[in-house]
Amino acid sequence: QITLKESGPTLVKPTQTLTLTCTFSGFSLSVSGLGVGWIRQPPGKALEWLALIYWDDDKRYSPSLKNRLSITKEKSNDQVVLTMTNMDPVDTATYYCARRVVVAAESLSYFDYWGQGTLVTVSS
Amino acid sequence: SSELTQDPAVSVALGQTVRITCQGDRLRRYYASWYQQKPGQAPILVILGKDRRPSGIADRFSGSSSGDTASLTITGAQAEDEADYYCNSRDSSGDHVFGGGTKLTVL
Repeated sequence: QITLKESGPTLVKPTQTLTLTCTFSGFSLSVSGLGVGWIRQPPGKALEWLALIYWDDDKRYSPSLKNRLSITKEKSNDQVVLTMTNMDPVDTATYYCARRVVVAAESLSYFDYWGQGTLVTVSS
Repeated sequence: SSELTQDPAVSVALGQTVRITCQGDRLRRYYASWYQQKPGQAPILVILGKDRRPSGIADRFSGSSSGDTASLTITGAQAEDEADYYCNSRDSSGDHVFGGGTKLTVL
């Protein structure tokens, strides 16, 4: 059974750094073709992709946020950590992590399992 | 364009067929995946690739792709299909993007 769960603070102050942890089970991030990504959703708005880390430690970031984001794998290989610096009230959102599957030969990739999400509010 | 464009809202009569589209240059090279999201819930994958359904997804959901447009079709829409639907794809540099979402209303 594959599960992912996000954890971290529910409230951060403007200018602070947000650190979120995605703890997953049922798969290994050392398996070729797998990745874990972060996606957020402000209240009432659309999904926004933030970052991805792959089995080979390749990392991708949203171009609009790349200067503020960092994604890492823990050595245990069952956690992925996202940090976002200089938080602002506009960053208030539900943050999701999700497993990414890549089938390069078929130009195919998708998020097949999602965490429940964690609401992060940015306010002083 | 580096974006994926979706109609903001679509409606369908109960039992009828509805198509939700997603347009973007990256779709000429990479397949979209489609996600259903109901209020207060995490998204779930409903279509991957050109027309593949994950296990557990009803066969009334299907996908297609032509040129720069991917489509999600629901044949015989049910009340429980009322939700927001998002497309997602990558580009050649590995960046990903979601469409703006389509709110489906089943009348």
